[in-house]
Amino acid sequence: SAVISQKPSRDICQRGTSLTIQCQVDSQVTMMFWYRQQPGQSLTLIATANQGSEATYESGFVIDKFPISRPNLTFSTLTVSNMSPEDSSIYLCSVGGQGGTTNEKLFFGSGTQLSVL
Amino acid sequence: SQQGEEDPQALSIQEGENATMNCSYKTSINNLQWYRQNSGRGLVHLILIRSNEREKHSGRLRVTLDTSKKSSSLLITASRAADTASYFCATGAGGYNKLIFGAGTRLAVHP
Repeated sequence: SAVISQKPSRDICQRGTSLTIQCQVDSQVTMMFWYRQQPGQSLTLIATANQGSEATYESGFVIDKFPISRPNLTFSTLTVSNMSPEDSSIYLCSVGGQGGTTNEKLFFGSGTQLSVL
Repeated sequence: SQQGEEDPQALSIQEGENATMNCSYKTSINNLQWYRQNSGRGLVHLILIRSNEREKHSGRLRVTLDTSKKSSSLLITASRAADTASYFCATGAGGYNKLIFGAGTRLAVHP
């Protein structure tokens, strides 16, 4: 299993500003995933973050808007840049089972509830 | 969209009743997983069923998978108020491939 600490748990931000979300795992993992969950919706994968390489972004998400860092095997950050009200969502980090090497049995952080005014 | 569809979108039952949620998907899969989310927070993994399995049990949970119909169901027996949450299915193609989450079912269990 993996225990994931994600912070902040919630924030209210002004339009045009940026917010960095941190995700700390209690063990070394190969891949970390960042998801967005818009109000009342399901989860959409933003990107997959591997240590030592650039993150892989899904269609509709770009690095300029959602820059990701992965400085080591236990930590990652997601920045939501130049925010607009449409960015109001829950952002979740997760890791896969078996040291983050598979997509089975994902472990999730508690999420960051972001509201943009 | 390759996301799975779940039905019903919302389900309201009394404690002690059974709750059944269904999930359909579009692509070939290696596994199908069910997750639970309380009040918009982090998801918790409940159960995984592989493409070569037809049924799996875990405590009060029973999952079935029909790959010919590309569908799965999650049954929660003898429901409790504490089962109130959103339930999501997610399909994976194995390895590093991303999970695709369904739309979710909001379950409300009334005392």
